[in-house]
Amino acid sequence: KNQVEQSPQSLIILEGKNCTLQCNYTVSPFSNLRWYKQDTGRGPVSLTIMTFSENTKSNGRYTATLDADTKQSSLHITASQLSDSASYICVVTDAGGYNKLIFGAGTRLAVHP
Amino acid sequence: EAGVTQSPTHLIKTRGQQATLRCSPISGHTSVYWYQQALGLGLQFLLWYDEGEERNRGNFPPRFSGRQFPNYSSELNVNALELEDSALYLCATSHRDFYNEQFFGPGTRLTVL
Repeated sequence: KNQVEQSPQSLIILEGKNCTLQCNYTVSPFSNLRWYKQDTGRGPVSLTIMTFSENTKSNGRYTATLDADTKQSSLHITASQLSDSASYICVVTDAGGYNKLIFGAGTRLAVHP
Repeated sequence: EAGVTQSPTHLIKTRGQQATLRCSPISGHTSVYWYQQALGLGLQFLLWYDEGEERNRGNFPPRFSGRQFPNYSSELNVNALELEDSALYLCATSHRDFYNEQFFGPGTRLTVL
């Protein structure tokens, strides 16, 4: 069964600190992997997208990595800000059939002053 | 450029009633996707419309249905509402050939009492 698992489920860090969120997937065949940021009660906003041939992608203070061999991805946030408080969702595209998106349950990040 | 819009923002219904949620896509987008996000859970794929036709549906009962209009806007209808239908309903749209570049709307919060 195609799955996307994220860890930790939730995380609390202090403003200015760095953190890393994990995503493991079993989706095959795999097309690409995307990280979304979702503020509470709002729709997700795309942060990065990577194909199987890419192993890192940055967007400002956000850096995503991908290891297609081990089927693992991480999202690293540098010098966190209060506005980084949100859920971060890992989404993998299942390239079989209807090219369906498989969503992880997300990591809820809280940045405290 | 206007983003994906959804209405209403909030909707309160009682068990057994019907709910209608609406979504307007970004100009040029022909595909509309509906997702359900129950509190604390990941996004679950509901329906995919393209060019006025239902292309795929997730593992939801038939009382979840919808349609897409000639202007590519879409409606999601939920009949015989149950308490567990309470969730954030997100609409995403994309170009037909770029299904994995979905842009999300702000969502409709449905509460069933």
